Amino acid sequence: AQRVTQPEKLLSVFKGAPVELKCNYSYSGSPELFWYVQYSRQRLQLLLRHISRESIKGFTADLNKGETSFHLKKPFAQEEDSAMYYCALGGGRGSRLTFGEGTQLTVNP
Amino acid sequence: EAGVAQSPRYKIIEKRQSVAFWCNPISGHATLYWYQQILGQGPKLLIQFQNNGVVDDSQLPKDRFSAERLKGVDSTLKIQPAKLEDSAVYLCASGQGALETQYFGPGTRLLVL
Repeated sequence: AQRVTQPEKLLSVFKGAPVELKCNYSYSGSPELFWYVQYSRQRLQLLLRHISRESIKGFTADLNKGETSFHLKKPFAQEEDSAMYYCALGGGRGSRLTFGEGTQLTVNP
Repeated sequence: EAGVAQSPRYKIIEKRQSVAFWCNPISGHATLYWYQQILGQGPKLLIQFQNNGVVDDSQLPKDRFSAERLKGVDSTLKIQPAKLEDSAVYLCASGQGALETQYFGPGTRLLVL
């Protein structure tokens, strides 16, 4: 069975501080991991995926198969980073995406 | 390019009534998804289409939910009869293939009274 755990429902940091959003997964196969983001009054959209190894808006995420984690990090948070972040695992039948419950990030001025 | 379109944006019905949602994906996208997002939870896949064929409907409550994608373009999701626990946002997404980027619509917020 596929499972994604985001242990923090809420995360609050100050502008300029580092931020880390945690994501752990459970999957017996070879995982595809994604981070999706939803800004206020906007649609859910892809932020990044592990296979591309990109840094998007200053965010990075490294897949750690030993710890089954895919934590999202940014060294200096900005107020515009305030949003709901969802970690998602792709795999299984039809390569379906399984989403975590999300972490609401608030970056305070 | 135009994004994924969904209608209606909001719907309020009473339990045991029927409701239908419509989705028009991004032109050329072969894969279409319907998700249910209950308040405080992440989206949960209900059904995935590849063109007009069903790839995965293992999490669709088939006793009351149905979906179709005739002609492999737009899609409808129906609930008949609705229950209180069906209150949620129903999201449609499309993509160019499995595990490719999914592009989400604005969602339909359903309230069942």
